Amino acid sequence: SYVLTQPPSVSVAPGKTARITCGGYNIGIKSVHWYQQKPGQAPVMVIYYDSDRPSGIPERFSGSNSGNTATLTISRVEAGDEADYYCQVWDSGSDRVFGGGTKLTVL
Amino acid sequence: QVQLQESGPGLVKPSETLSLTCSVSGGSMSSYYWSWIRQPPGKGLEWIGYIYDSGSTKYNPSLKSRVTISIDTSKNQFSLKLNSVTAADTAVYFCARERGHYTNYVFYYYGMDVWGQGTTVAVSS
Repeated sequence: SYVLTQPPSVSVAPGKTARITCGGYNIGIKSVHWYQQKPGQAPVMVIYYDSDRPSGIPERFSGSNSGNTATLTISRVEAGDEADYYCQVWDSGSDRVFGGGTKLTVL
Repeated sequence: QVQLQESGPGLVKPSETLSLTCSVSGGSMSSYYWSWIRQPPGKGLEWIGYIYDSGSTKYNPSLKSRVTISIDTSKNQFSLKLNSVTAADTAVYFCARERGHYTNYVFYYYGMDVWGQGTTVAVSS
């Protein structure tokens, strides 16, 4: 089965840049999607197809994907960005796969 | 815009069947995939399975023997049944809309763009 690996936690100071990684075998040839989940709420898509932003998502959110690592980058981090972030792909063998999630803490 | 709303019992007894419905409003179910995802307390997201508007389904292999997803496009609803539940099935259950399509036998998948608010289901006697 296909496995996505995320760091359990990332910390960043307000105004700085946060980078959350998602590792998987040859993930660069797959399309990666990212979701933000705040406590007690449903996930919200923040990036799809590696680097596209849904309507209403700030330009501060961006994504990249190459080799064995995909990255969600949040620029000029705000307190309101504190949340859990999940990466997700479709894999021909495992179908829909989620990473384990990363807790972003804004210091 | 499209909204999803889960409904169903919040408490299910062990060995019984968990049944949930997701109601879709503000849009058509046509040409989309419709998925169920769950999240045990304090843990990450787990995909349960999907149904396409045609009725074709695919399930997570770890749950496949216990899961059935059905759709009623005339009511703009799709449903989840999970049988023989145990405490390990206690979770928040989400429904979601997915975009994807085949072109020249290649599947292009665009992720889960609309989610329901989630419903908590506890398995306990």
